Formats: sequence, C-alpha cells, structure tokens
Amino acid sequence: AQKVTQAQTEISVVEKEDVTLDCVYETRDTTYYLFWYKQPPSGELVFLIRRNSFDEQNEISGRYSWNFQKSTSSFNFTITASQVVDSAVYFCALRRTSGSRLTFGEGTQLTVNP
Amino acid sequence: AAGVIQSPRHLIKEKRETATLKCYPIPRHDTVYWYQQGPGQDPQFLISFYEKMQSDKGSIPDRFSAQQFSDYHSELNMSSLELGDSALYFCASSAQGISRANTIYFGEGSWLTVV
Repeated sequence: AQKVTQAQTEISVVEKEDVTLDCVYETRDTTYYLFWYKQPPSGELVFLIRRNSFDEQNEISGRYSWNFQKSTSSFNFTITASQVVDSAVYFCALRRTSGSRLTFGEGTQLTVNP
Repeated sequence: AAGVIQSPRHLIKEKRETATLKCYPIPRHDTVYWYQQGPGQDPQFLISFYEKMQSDKGSIPDRFSAQQFSDYHSELNMSSLELGDSALYFCASSAQGISRANTIYFGEGSWLTVV
C-alpha cells in the first residue's frame, strides 16, 4: 500500500518569508513518481512538479524549489520570498509506475499574510 | 494550451435525483480519471479509463457509473443522490504512451451540491 503524509495541516507566514512544506511517503515500489499540486481558493488543482524516483536531483523553478531525498522518503517543497498569491492548499501525491491513480496527502493550507 | 474541460461547473440537485458530469480530456490524452474531493479533504480516486476501457477502480459507490466514449470524453453518472455526495468532482487526463507515469492534469472541477 502507498501512503503520503503531510504533517503540516496549516502554515501561516508573512509575505516575503520563506516557507517549506513537508511531504513524507511510503511505498514498496522501487520506481515511482512524486507530484506537487496547488489548489487555490477557486478550487482547481494546478500541477507544479513531477519527480521520478530514480532522479534525486533537486529542482528550482523561480521562487519554488523541491528537495527529494529517497533515503528519508521525503519530497519537500520550499517557496522563497512568499507572496499573498501563494496562499492555497498544497498537495503532495504519489503514483506507481505500474498503476495509474494518484495517492494524495492530506494537504497543507498555506496562508501568506501581507 | 488546451486543458481538461469539465461541465457543468456548478450543479445543485435534490436528494434521490440523478446528476451527470461531463469531461473532455486534453487532446491526444488517452486516459481519464475521476476524483471526488469532500470539504477539507484530499481528492479521492473514483475510477479511470484507458482507451475507453475501465483501467482502475477506487472508492466509487455502486450508485455511480462512468464511461469513456469513442471521442475520449467521459461522463460520470450519479444516481439516488445523497447529501454526502456534495463535493468537488475532478476529471483529469494523461497520455499513457510507453510510460504509464506521465503527469496527470486536472480540470477545474464540478461543484455538486445535494440539498
């Protein structure tokens, strides 16, 4: 069975602060894929990143960066210099290569205050 | 770029009524997924179709059914609606191709309220 845990239910920061969202996963598969999605108040699910289990290189995209550590089964997401528009629920998700569904974590509600 | 299109965006139904949600996947995507997200919860997988055949089944109630048509669009039919069916329903699509781990892209969702 697969499981994704986002221990931080809610995080509140002030604009321009850096914030890290934690994601820990469990799987017996040796090959798998990890995702982050953003869900703003309007409700849509926006794809942010996909990471293959065999590629542990960290990635940076603008103010967003991701730290994948297979040894600790973690795939953390950092927003640098947060902005009010970053306020949303962020979901970490896991997908097996042999299957098709996404298993989501419980989500982290990020509130960035001006 | 074209995204996953869902309709209707908002739907209000009474208990015991029937509702149908429609989904048009991204062009050339061959797999469609349906997810249900209750208030304050993470999305829960309902069912998926690959090349018009059911490929995976999750926690979909027996009152619900779905299918994928020849033009790859999909419909989720929900009958005997209950108050607990009130949720945000997502359709998503991906292109399986050789790799089955391609990115799954979601539509904007259909808000169903059962009163």
